[in-house]
Amino acid sequence: AQSVTQLDSHVSVSEGTPVLLRCNYSSSYSPSLFWYVQHPNKGLQLLLKYTSAATLVKGINGFEAEFKKSETSFHLTKPSAHMSDAAEYFCVVSFNAGGTSYGKLTFGQGTILTVHP
Amino acid sequence: DAGVTQSPTHLIKTRGQHVTLRCSPISGHKSVSWYQQVLGQGPQFIFQYYEKEERGRGNFPDRFSARQFPNYSSELNVNALLLGDSALYLCASSPRDRTYGYTFGSGTRLTVV
Repeated sequence: AQSVTQLDSHVSVSEGTPVLLRCNYSSSYSPSLFWYVQHPNKGLQLLLKYTSAATLVKGINGFEAEFKKSETSFHLTKPSAHMSDAAEYFCVVSFNAGGTSYGKLTFGQGTILTVHP
Repeated sequence: DAGVTQSPTHLIKTRGQHVTLRCSPISGHKSVSWYQQVLGQGPQFIFQYYEKEERGRGNFPDRFSARQFPNYSSELNVNALLLGDSALYLCASSPRDRTYGYTFGSGTRLTVV
């Protein structure tokens, strides 16, 4: 079984300050991990993905995430928040079992990021 | 290149009716998945199709069905609509059946009254 827990339902930061969105996962097998962003009334956009290569993953718009197997974490960070970063962020896990993946993505409950001027 | 396109964008149906939602994947993508996103929650997996075969099904009742056509487009059908089926229905496509990072469409907002 697989699951993902986003530790904060809401995060509020000031523009220009760092962003940290926390995510812990549970997976019986080697996971693939993703962060998606959803702006109001929009679909989901892929920010970055981890698929067993480098543990520090760089994504779009200055975001990055570090896979820590010992802590089963995949936290999303950004050095300096911008007003346009305000959105809902989803941590997502999938896994490959014996080389087979049925493409099922398991989403966390989401973290709403608010950026204050 | 066109992204994942879904139609219609919004839909209002009455309880007990049937609905069909449509999805066209990115050109060259052979895998299509469907997700339901209820307001305030993360998306929940409904189905995955790859090369016109069902490869996975989430915990949804038999009122939900889907299919994939030879051109890899897909339909999601929901029968006997309930108020609780009101949600944003998202379609996602990927080049192959492994998860390389799905590209999502903007969704169909279904309201059941």
